[in-house]
Amino acid sequence: QVQLVQSGAEVKKPGSSVKVSCKASGGTFSSYAISWVRQAPGQGLEWMGGIIPIFGTANYAQKFQGRVTITTDESTSTAYMELSSLRSEDTAVYYCARAVGSSSWFDAFDIWGQGTMVTVSS
Amino acid sequence: AIRMTQSPSSFSASTGDRVTITCRASQGISSYLAWYQQKPGKAPKLLIYAASTLQSGVPSRFSGSGSGTDFTLTISCLQSEDFATYYCQQYYSYPSTFGGGTKVEIK
Repeated sequence: QVQLVQSGAEVKKPGSSVKVSCKASGGTFSSYAISWVRQAPGQGLEWMGGIIPIFGTANYAQKFQGRVTITTDESTSTAYMELSSLRSEDTAVYYCARAVGSSSWFDAFDIWGQGTMVTVSS
Repeated sequence: AIRMTQSPSSFSASTGDRVTITCRASQGISSYLAWYQQKPGKAPKLLIYAASTLQSGVPSRFSGSGSGTDFTLTISCLQSEDFATYYCQQYYSYPSTFGGGTKVEIK
């Protein structure tokens, strides 16, 4: 069974950047889209963007365009999400999630990482 | 972006009840809709995708229906482990968007 394991909690200063990793184990990595979804404290879910490793091209929500970069390293089956110019409103749990279908850009997410808490505070 | 509106935002129910949660899309999304269950401190769990397809391992008391703009999630006989927050998600177009959530609490 595929598992996604994310890196640990981060505390960052406003204006800085954070890079969160998501390592896949136990199955195919390259042909399934990986998305990043965040959840601010007590709030709902927000899709930030996604990538299909074999294609290498990422799609981003317009809200995060210019601030977020999603990449993958196929050699280690790891996806990364880097968010720059952090502000207090970016304080949230960040999840990676895998699409249900292979090579599917538009899909539900059947496998989720455990989440990474990112706190932005001066 | 397509706006997803869930109702109600919260409600109380008892074990054994039949409960229904609705989700409305601001424009037609065919059947590109998923439902998730989330418990405090945990990642969301996929219950239903393609509006009515039950995810492997999910109990059959969960069911989904609808197409176009109006969708429902039904739990036929609420169990203690079903008290949680439920989200719908459209994946018809970018950006994928989620409903605001429905919290199911114990009466």
